[in-house]
Formats: sequence, C-alpha cells, structure tokens
Amino acid sequence: DAKTTQPNSMESNEEEPVHLPCNHSTISGTDYIHWYRQLPSQGPEYVIHGLTSNVNNRMASLAIAEDRKSSTLILHRATLRDAAVYYCILRGTGNQFYFGTGTSLTVIP
Amino acid sequence: DTEVTQTPKHLVMGMTNKKSLKCEQHMGHRAMYWYKQKAKKPPELMFVYSYEKLSINESVPSRFSPECPNSSLLNLHLHALQPEDSALYLCASRRPTGGSGGYTFGSGTRLTVV
Repeated sequence: DAKTTQPNSMESNEEEPVHLPCNHSTISGTDYIHWYRQLPSQGPEYVIHGLTSNVNNRMASLAIAEDRKSSTLILHRATLRDAAVYYCILRGTGNQFYFGTGTSLTVIP
Repeated sequence: DTEVTQTPKHLVMGMTNKKSLKCEQHMGHRAMYWYKQKAKKPPELMFVYSYEKLSINESVPSRFSPECPNSSLLNLHLHALQPEDSALYLCASRRPTGGSGGYTFGSGTRLTVV
C-alpha cells in the first residue's frame, strides 16, 4: 500500500488559515487521497477527498499537486474545535484504509 | 441514520474473561472493519468484512474472533486477552463497490485488560 508522510505536529493561531501538507510520492493512478481527523477520545471523521482536481467542501479545501505526489489540506479559518490529529490516507482499489502517523494540529487562542 | 454505533463505550476485563464488542450501522454499507488504536498511535487495521464474509485478517491473534451475523452488525469476541491488548477498538463501515467513498467510524470501545 502506498505510504504517506506528514509532519508530526503543527501550530496555528485561531482564525488564521492552516495548510497541512502530505507527501505521497508512490501514489498510483487509481489512488484517491482522503483526509480524516480525529478529535480526542473520538473515532476518525471524514474531512475531504479527491483524485486529481482541487476540492472544496464546507469543512476544508484540498489542493492536489499536478503530479499527485503531494497534497495540502487547507482549513480557511482555524477554530479551537479544529484541534485534532489529521490523517492523510491513500485509498486504492482495495477496500481498506491504512493510516499513517498523522499531524497533530494545535490551535492557539 | 448516518452513524456507526459501538457498544460498550468502556470495558474492563480480566485476562480469563470472555467479552464481546458490538458495532451496528444502518446505512446499507456492506463493508465493515475493526481497527485497534493504542495511545498516541494511528489506528491499525485488524479485520475487514465484505458482504458479511471475512476478506482480510491482518495476522491478528486468535484471542480476537470477529463475527458478522448480518449486514448491519459486526462483533468482536474477546477471550484470554493480555494487558497489552488494552486499546481503543474502532469499528468502521463503507460502501464496498467502486466509487471514491470513505469510511464512517464509530466512537470506539476503550478496552482495559487487567
């Protein structure tokens, strides 16, 4: 399964944009890029996913590099409730997710 | 209903006990999963069921026994566990065929083995 690499931790000030990077240099043509986040004492929750084009939803935006070897999750205005571990996951033709180590986001008031 | 419900939320069991974790979803998802998560680590895949049949077992010890009695229910039977099996056990589900869809996770069962 293709691997993802993320920084262990990042900090952001409240109400400022946050850019969370993910490298996936071994991505295959059929792998979708998924982002999930996990708040303390909860299960992971879906944030956004994409294949080739940039994607927007009410939670975030996903910017995918043209060669698809990296992507960036963008939170437009970080709030304290966005403090969580963010996982970048590649899902191919198989049924399963394999999680990488994720980025722990701290939001500073 | 867009949730995956896991019960119990907390469980303490002795090493000689037998207990079961339960997971339920009514979204019509036909793929269901068990993950194990140790503190400050990412979830690790344990088992995958597709259309009620076990399709992946990630070399999990036999003291963990999964069961999928119907398309809405997934159980994890526990027997003779060790203290190192203490962890958060997460259940997830998704539509298994095609598309790009992701998973819906439950909130987990926090298991402590004493």
